[in-house]
Amino acid sequence: EGQLVESGGGLVQPGGSLRLSCEASGFNFSSFWMHWIRQVPGKGLAWVSRINTNGRRTTYADSVKGQFTISRDNAKNTLFLQMNRLRVEDTALYYCVRSSLVTGDGFDIWGRGTLVTVSS
Amino acid sequence: QSALTQPASVSGSPGQSITISCTGSSGDVGAYNLVSWYQQFPGKAPKLLIHEVSKRPSGISDRFSGSKSGNTASLTVSGVQVVDEAVYFCCSSAGDNKWVFGGGTTLTVL
Repeated sequence: EGQLVESGGGLVQPGGSLRLSCEASGFNFSSFWMHWIRQVPGKGLAWVSRINTNGRRTTYADSVKGQFTISRDNAKNTLFLQMNRLRVEDTALYYCVRSSLVTGDGFDIWGRGTLVTVSS
Repeated sequence: QSALTQPASVSGSPGQSITISCTGSSGDVGAYNLVSWYQQFPGKAPKLLIHEVSKRPSGISDRFSGSKSGNTASLTVSGVQVVDEAVYFCCSSAGDNKWVFGGGTTLTVL
């Protein structure tokens, strides 16, 4: 069973930037699509972004397109999310998530999340 | 990408069956057999319960089942137990390698 560990969250002022990281272990990281999914504490889930296995194809939710950038380093088994021009409404717990063809692109491994708080 | 619609809460007595609906559109739930369901306990990450509408990953109890009709997917929990009290989320592919979640449903076992 694989594991995902996020880091990089914290308190940032509106307009600021953060870079989230996610270290994968226990599975062949380079063979899986990876995603970021966020959740306002006590609220619902929202898919944010996805990256394919070689990092060349990415997609974003309309709410973050042009603001966030997803990337990966397969040699270091690490996923990233560069978050720029942060807004109060970006405050959430950010999960690093794996999807698998075996589960029809279902999100089968989740990290514990890293909290991003955007506030002045 | 509009969120899928789920009831805010459902409840049932131990041993009963409950069903949670998830309504989308012809651009997501109705278009793809890529609906998944997740169970989330307080303070924990979500867990995959159902994928591709009705398939259970290894280790998931057969008390959980999924189905779909038109633009609405459903999760049924048979013989509901106190340990099933959690929040349940549906998710669907929305095309163009994008995904959309429902708002979540809190299951209470009375």
